[in-house]
Amino acid sequence: NAGVTQTPKFRILKIGQSMTLQCTQDMNHNYMYWYRQDPGMGLKLIYYSVGAGITDKGEVPNGYNVSRSTTEDFPLRLELAAPSQTSVYFCASRPEIAEAFFGQGTRLTVV
Amino acid sequence: RKEVEQDPGPFNVPEGATVAFNCTYSNSASQSFFWYRQDCRKEPKLLMSVYSSGNEDGRFTAQLNRASQYISLLIRDSKLSDSATYLCVVTRGGSQGNLIFGKGTKLSVKP
Repeated sequence: NAGVTQTPKFRILKIGQSMTLQCTQDMNHNYMYWYRQDPGMGLKLIYYSVGAGITDKGEVPNGYNVSRSTTEDFPLRLELAAPSQTSVYFCASRPEIAEAFFGQGTRLTVV
Repeated sequence: RKEVEQDPGPFNVPEGATVAFNCTYSNSASQSFFWYRQDCRKEPKLLMSVYSSGNEDGRFTAQLNRASQYISLLIRDSKLSDSATYLCVVTRGGSQGNLIFGKGTKLSVKP
């Protein structure tokens, strides 16, 4: 029972590079989320999706893009990485009315 | 006013102590409430949902006051293993709304 799986767990990017953070869930949840957490801070919502083909911006979407072609997958794309995007990224999923389940996170450093 | 506000902490308590965390939320339409626990550099994990009538799970008791838009978490007989950051989580709007996280309150339980 995998739950929410994120890859990679760690990554170092150079300024200006691009990458995709992968997120997959096997619980058939419609709702999926991407959060970032800076050191000593709370989680901030980047993007979310309420179902395949539907995505919307959260609080801090600039510099990121998402897609949701299937119920299971919700990748987060970073274009032109900047040092301000150094953070821990968490993907989460939830059924419509219940708690969210989180992946183990991706620790990204942009240098 | 932030959507979800928590005691800034940190709370440093001896083993066996009782500790209470408070949380306020600004959106009166919020319908679902949770307490999550986050260990250092790990993903948040659900501690307990919070119901209108209040609920208890072993040493943990959660209360909700909708009129005051206030949520609390009480931990009795603290254990060393309770050391973590406790996150108050509220849905923005109805039960299907996005999850909004407080910044968290750090608890350290000392021998």
